Amino acid sequence: DTAVSQTPKYLVTQMGNDKSIKCEQNLGHDTMYWYKQDSKKFLKIMFSYNNKELIINETVPNRFSPKSPDKAHLNLHINSLELGDSAVYFCASSQVGTDTEAFFGQGTRLTVV
Amino acid sequence: SQQGEEDPQALSIQEGENATMNCSYKTSINNLQWYRQNSGRGLVHLILIRSNEREKHSGRLRVTLDTSKKSSSLLITASRAADTASYFCATDGAGRRALTFGSGTRLQVQP
Repeated sequence: DTAVSQTPKYLVTQMGNDKSIKCEQNLGHDTMYWYKQDSKKFLKIMFSYNNKELIINETVPNRFSPKSPDKAHLNLHINSLELGDSAVYFCASSQVGTDTEAFFGQGTRLTVV
Repeated sequence: SQQGEEDPQALSIQEGENATMNCSYKTSINNLQWYRQNSGRGLVHLILIRSNEREKHSGRLRVTLDTSKKSSSLLITASRAADTASYFCATDGAGRRALTFGSGTRLQVQP
């Protein structure tokens, strides 16, 4: 069974469109994250949710809106897509507490054309 | 801005050789972790070292941590072609609640 699964794996869309990426974890973790990896492989935290509550909201455009219907799911909706949004988006989860590792999904490669 | 910097950015070695990657960070941490990313895949946790630890081993991996210099190193001994991947350090900072990643090292192990 996949611990953290996100869909779709690839997403190609035109500028101006709205798209969503879904993420689910079956590890029973309390915390979920969205990370963005750019073309230079830099990974940056975007959002963090703990038990459906937004904990971290980095400097991300308002066009990005995370939604956590329950603690096992964290979806990412992106409005009015721009070329600069092209990147790989990773969902991850971890258990609350110190010294815990994060488990990552396989990533969603978003290409905006 | 990125918390950590890693060097080298890229490393190419022969199978059987050792590979050493270094990571520097900027703020105080609870722990430092190393992850591997194979091409087109997600990140996989390798090893975690707490801020009060100086060295840790796991199989062919050896991690050191120097909090006074805010630096860590990952040593992979007797490398294999399957070790070819990008390696990232990540810090779990006090009160941060999310990992902050370094810039990564691309390791190529030639068979």
